[in-house]
Amino acid sequence: EVQLVQSGGEVKKPGESLTISCRGFGYSFISYWIVWVRQMPGKGLEWMGIIYPGDSDTTYSPSFRGQVTISADKSISTAYLQWSSLKASDTAMYYCARLKSHGGNPSGFDPWGQGTLVTVSS
Amino acid sequence: SYVLTQPPSVSVAPGETARITCGGDKIGSKSVHWYQQRPGQAPVVVIQYDSDRPSGIPERFSASNSGNTATLTISRVEAGDEADYYCQVWDLGSDHYFFGTGTKVTVL
Repeated sequence: EVQLVQSGGEVKKPGESLTISCRGFGYSFISYWIVWVRQMPGKGLEWMGIIYPGDSDTTYSPSFRGQVTISADKSISTAYLQWSSLKASDTAMYYCARLKSHGGNPSGFDPWGQGTLVTVSS
Repeated sequence: SYVLTQPPSVSVAPGETARITCGGDKIGSKSVHWYQQRPGQAPVVVIQYDSDRPSGIPERFSASNSGNTATLTISRVEAGDEADYYCQVWDLGSDHYFFGTGTKVTVL
């Protein structure tokens, strides 16, 4: 079964750093793109960026460029989303999802990880 | 930036048909994907490439895309269809992905 398993929820203080992860199972991790999506409390879905684990080719949404870092370690089939200095406004659920093809005529995001809830509060 | 506009809410009685629109400039020239997000759960794709239904998704879910509007149709609505629904596209010009504003479907 193809699945993405994300790391557990986090509670952090403003200014702290954080890395959350997304591990792929049941498929060739280096052959598919991984996207990260934010969902703030009670709000909609926002695309943050995309990475190709095969060569770490990465594209960021302008809204998130410079605010987060997306990376991947293909040796352990894991993608990461990292903050160097969290803000209260980073409080949200973060999802990773797999993308079969990027550019041209991209597929939908399928499957999705279960989500990682990040809470930033003093 | 590419803006996708959905109605905030749609209410429908069980057994009836729900239609959810997704408006965007020349959206008919793009591939549209639709996601269902039940309360407390991760999104699930219900339609890919405008009208393709992934395996496991009921035939009651269908969609179309033309001009400036894409539409997701849920026939014979059931209580379990109560969820938020999002459209999503990729924009060639920016090489970025965009989600619609989301529509909450309430089954009366």
